[in-house]
Amino acid sequence: KNQVEQSPQSLIILEGKNCTLQCNYTVSPFSNLRWYKQDTGRGPVSLTIMTFSENTKSNGRYTATLDADTKQSSLHITASQLSDSASYICVVISKPRDDMRFGAGTRLTVKP
Amino acid sequence: NAGVMQNPRHLVRRRGQEARLRCSPMKGHSHVYWYRQLPEEGLKFMVYLQKENIIDESGMPKERFSAEFPKEGPSILRIQQVVRGDSAAYFCASSPKDRVPYEQYFGPGTRLTVT
Repeated sequence: KNQVEQSPQSLIILEGKNCTLQCNYTVSPFSNLRWYKQDTGRGPVSLTIMTFSENTKSNGRYTATLDADTKQSSLHITASQLSDSASYICVVISKPRDDMRFGAGTRLTVKP
Repeated sequence: NAGVMQNPRHLVRRRGQEARLRCSPMKGHSHVYWYRQLPEEGLKFMVYLQKENIIDESGMPKERFSAEFPKEGPSILRIQQVVRGDSAAYFCASSPKDRVPYEQYFGPGTRLTVT
């Protein structure tokens, strides 16, 4: 079983709508959690990095939350645009070796 | 400052041939990481290298796969005697120092197809 589970697997929304992607993890001990955006045919690009003490962090229309107690994170996208169509990957880094555990990603499609 | 460069972007090999994938890190970055992404799956860590050193190869298959990051030149991921199951996208990432808290910057990937 993957230590980082993302849901939903895929999501289709209309342009201008908001959406929330979920990430649950069992990785321990926790160091930090990252969200990446991966456009089709490209490498992942970092959106946010969150440490244990951070509950929420924003990057433009992207807002990530972290509940380290329940081991859950979410990525909220506001006022979606066509260019938001991509895979969103949750990555959890553990101590002490800084191992990175990747979720399988959520495939988001924004339609006009 | 150019980003992480990978070449070739697409590589087709017949079963049994060798595949060589190259990665040039961002300027000033001395740490390189290789990942594999199978179709419809997440990225999987393969190997972490510094210049002339392999730091962590725990994700690398024991046979047929090797990686190097020489003092001069790009990092090379080599797959000998490729099989159909090696077909995947191979991503390289670089960072300026160590993995955390420094960010990793990913290249565009090399898509390997084994026929």
